[in-house]
Amino acid sequence: DIQMTQSPSSLSASLGDRVTITCRASQDIGNYLTWFQQKPGKSPRRMIYGATNLAAGVPSRFSGSRSGSDYSLTISSLESEDVADYHCLQSIQYPFTFGSGTKLEIK
Amino acid sequence: QVQLKESGPGLVQPSQTLSLTCTVAGFSLTSYNVHWVRQPPGKGLEWMGVIWNTGGTRYNSALKSRLSISKDTSKSQVFLKMNSLQTEDTATYYCARDLTRVDVMDAWGQGASVTVSS
Repeated sequence: DIQMTQSPSSLSASLGDRVTITCRASQDIGNYLTWFQQKPGKSPRRMIYGATNLAAGVPSRFSGSRSGSDYSLTISSLESEDVADYHCLQSIQYPFTFGSGTKLEIK
Repeated sequence: QVQLKESGPGLVQPSQTLSLTCTVAGFSLTSYNVHWVRQPPGKGLEWMGVIWNTGGTRYNSALKSRLSISKDTSKSQVFLKMNSLQTEDTATYYCARDLTRVDVMDAWGQGASVTVSS
């Protein structure tokens, strides 16, 4: 199975900060990488798909990028509504596998 | 409007079988795949399996011996059955749809909370 190593596990940042969360894939996954946001008590919401494509309705302060086997989700200017857990998912190969998640808080 | 909604028992006894239904609206199961994903309390997401628009299935190997996913396209319903439940199967269970392996899981259900306890 493909392992997705997500870091950091938690992150505290100030409003307006640039925030980056990373997932590293244990094998080549091309651009088959999706980022989800999950607020407490809610279902996951797709933010980025195909590594770099912004999902419908997602604010433009969110972006996705790839450097080799490292995939990043960046929030250009942190807002209070961005407090959530973030998860990455690889979908190039079954079984699909998620990263372990990142808890983002406001400092 | 695209909707997915999970339903099922909130409490299951150990060693018993879990049966969940995902009822969809706003799209056809003949066009979209449906995944099941679960999340134990306070933990991360785990992919369980998928039923393709064609009716084929793939399962997480860790669950394969206990898990079955099926569907009734005419009723717009997808079914999950998992037997031999243990306390570690306590989780919120989600269904989510997708069209392709790149354009994955664009819509999710609200989740069904399942507790395994006697």
